[in-house]
Amino acid sequence: DIQMTQSPSTLSASVGDRVTITCRASHSISNWLAWYQQKPGRAPKVLIYKASNLENGVPSRFSGSGSGTEFTLTISSLQPDDIATYYCQQYNNWYTFGQGTKLEIK
Amino acid sequence: QVHMVESGGGVVQPARSLRLSCAASGFTFSSFGMHWVRQAPGKGLEWVAVIWYDGSTKYYEDSVKGRFTISRDNSKNTVYLQMNSLRAEDTAVYYCAREGDGGSLDYWGQGTLVTVSS
Repeated sequence: DIQMTQSPSTLSASVGDRVTITCRASHSISNWLAWYQQKPGRAPKVLIYKASNLENGVPSRFSGSGSGTEFTLTISSLQPDDIATYYCQQYNNWYTFGQGTKLEIK
Repeated sequence: QVHMVESGGGVVQPARSLRLSCAASGFTFSSFGMHWVRQAPGKGLEWVAVIWYDGSTKYYEDSVKGRFTISRDNSKNTVYLQMNSLRAEDTAVYYCAREGDGGSLDYWGQGTLVTVSS
């Protein structure tokens, strides 16, 4: 099984900051990685697929990069609406989610 | 537009069974793989099961293998999750989700809460 490890678990940042979340896979997953945003009481929403492809309708301040075992989600300029928990998910070898990164406003 | 609605959740005693349904609309259901993902209260997302577009392949997370069964009826645009031998640790919100062309889960239902308790 492939394990996904996100860091940090919690992140506090100010509006306008550049924010980076990291996801590491226990084995190479090529670029079969997605990022999701989940707000309290809501279903998750996909932001990025195939590691770096922006889902339709997602603001361009979100971007993804990486391949193999190390991936990043970057928010170029943090907005109040971005407060949420973010999850990575691999789909190279069936499916596994990371444990989540809770993003808070400082 | 794409819409998915889960139903069938509720309170159930340990060792009992429950069947969840997810009714889909707004897309060609028979062309897409469908997933179940769950989230225990205050916890992260956990992938549960997948069924391919034609029902030919199914795969399960280890902790539900042998207890849960995913199925679909393409004539009714519905995917199901039959949950047997339920345990307290199965308590969660259960989401159905569509697997998009890029491989990610691009549309999700609103979720249905399953509580396993005596």
